[in-house]
Amino acid sequence: QSALTQPASVSGSHGQSISISCTGSSKDSGGYNYVSWYQQHPGKAPKLMIYDVINRPSGVSHRFSGSKSGNTASLTISGLQSEDEGDYFCASYTTNKTPWYVFGTGTQVTVL
Amino acid sequence: QVQLQESGPGLVKPSQTLSLTCTVSGGSITSGSHYWSWIRQPAGKGLEWIGRIYMSGSGSANYSPSLKSRVSISIDTSKSQFSLKVNSVTAADTAVYFCAREVGAHCSGGSCYPTFYFDSWGQGTLVTVSA
Repeated sequence: QSALTQPASVSGSHGQSISISCTGSSKDSGGYNYVSWYQQHPGKAPKLMIYDVINRPSGVSHRFSGSKSGNTASLTISGLQSEDEGDYFCASYTTNKTPWYVFGTGTQVTVL
Repeated sequence: QVQLQESGPGLVKPSQTLSLTCTVSGGSITSGSHYWSWIRQPAGKGLEWIGRIYMSGSGSANYSPSLKSRVSISIDTSKSQFSLKVNSVTAADTAVYFCAREVGAHCSGGSCYPTFYFDSWGQGTLVTVSA
């Protein structure tokens, strides 16, 4: 199963907004509204930030939002803060070959 | 709040079997709307889904096509644990292994609809394959 494509790195200044893209196909991110996003700090377990494309779990800052257009899902971080630095992965349900999951290639976010 | 904790050897010799256990606390491992997954991450690389198990009868499992021939996942509800075995390991199997709880459905007012995401993760355990 091919990984979903993400930019290797994205950076922004404190207070700015950034978006991270996650591109797949009609058999995963484009065909189903089951895209989720995870934040990972070095040496730590991933943390769920967004599920089902747009939903934010309780406890996750409102500065994080998700969207999708065609085969590309996006995670937007508004009002960028130092603690937002880290790696971000998308994931999607997939029917490519066989179900069930495919992850993105990962994006390193840097706050300037 | 459910918690997951991986345990097992940190060093495995090539061609041998990697065995890990995930202990679940603070939640039921027999929940019908949750599944139990293994995910791995080689150093400096992305996440790879290995497989999952869910309570249907004695436990039904699904595996990544790329690992299916070498992987098995089992569950022990009496101990609230699920386990991973990877046979015939090579250096390419060196990674941090995470166990995670997958949400498979949202239910409200008697209606349920499917979903697919991981809401709780263990801290991860590094497994190195080396002689």
